[in-house]
Amino acid sequence: EVKLEESGGGLVQPGGSMKLSCVASGFTFSNYWMNWVRQSPEKGLEWVAEIRLKSNNYATHYAESVKGRFTISRDDSKSSVYLQMNNLRAEDTGIYYCTRGGLGPYFDYWGQGTTLTVSS
Amino acid sequence: DIQMTQSPASLSASVGETVTITCRASENIYSYLAWYQQKQGKSPQLLVYNAKTLAEGVPSRFSGSGSGTQFSLKINSLQPEDFGSYYCQHHYGTPYTFGGGTKLEIK
Repeated sequence: EVKLEESGGGLVQPGGSMKLSCVASGFTFSNYWMNWVRQSPEKGLEWVAEIRLKSNNYATHYAESVKGRFTISRDDSKSSVYLQMNNLRAEDTGIYYCTRGGLGPYFDYWGQGTTLTVSS
Repeated sequence: DIQMTQSPASLSASVGETVTITCRASENIYSYLAWYQQKQGKSPQLLVYNAKTLAEGVPSRFSGSGSGTQFSLKINSLQPEDFGSYYCQHHYGTPYTFGGGTKLEIK
């Protein structure tokens, strides 16, 4: 059974930092692109970042709204993907989902989500 | 960025009815479109990818169609478990974008 379990959300002040983690199980993690997708009432579902495979030199892509502030990374030995978030803004508030890329860049499995609140 | 526009924003229907949700892309995305279902308080779940391929375990009453800029998700013979929100998403290169969603409610 495929499982994705996020952790690391919480309350942070504007300008602060937070690191989200996602541990995967039930599949060969190193064979799949991984993504972070967030959801808020204001913006709906929003793709945040993607990391590809070792064979793709772990290429990364980001939404324009987070480029330069967020960094996605992965550790295939730990079946984990991370999202380092710096210089956080109120508009970064939302539920952050770890997702697995399917045979194409759609999201075939989602974690339960972790909530980030950016507020003073 | 490619904009995805869904309609209607909300829909009320009865068990047993057939409903169709549409999604329009701001430019040609060929067949690179996915549909997701989200129930209240839960994570989205993949229903359809590549515009018409059902994800594993998805009932055959769901069907996707379309290509280019116009797409639709059809649900035949609505069941109680089908009520929730539905989202389209293009997967034709980054940045991937989602539609605003369609909330399907019980009449």
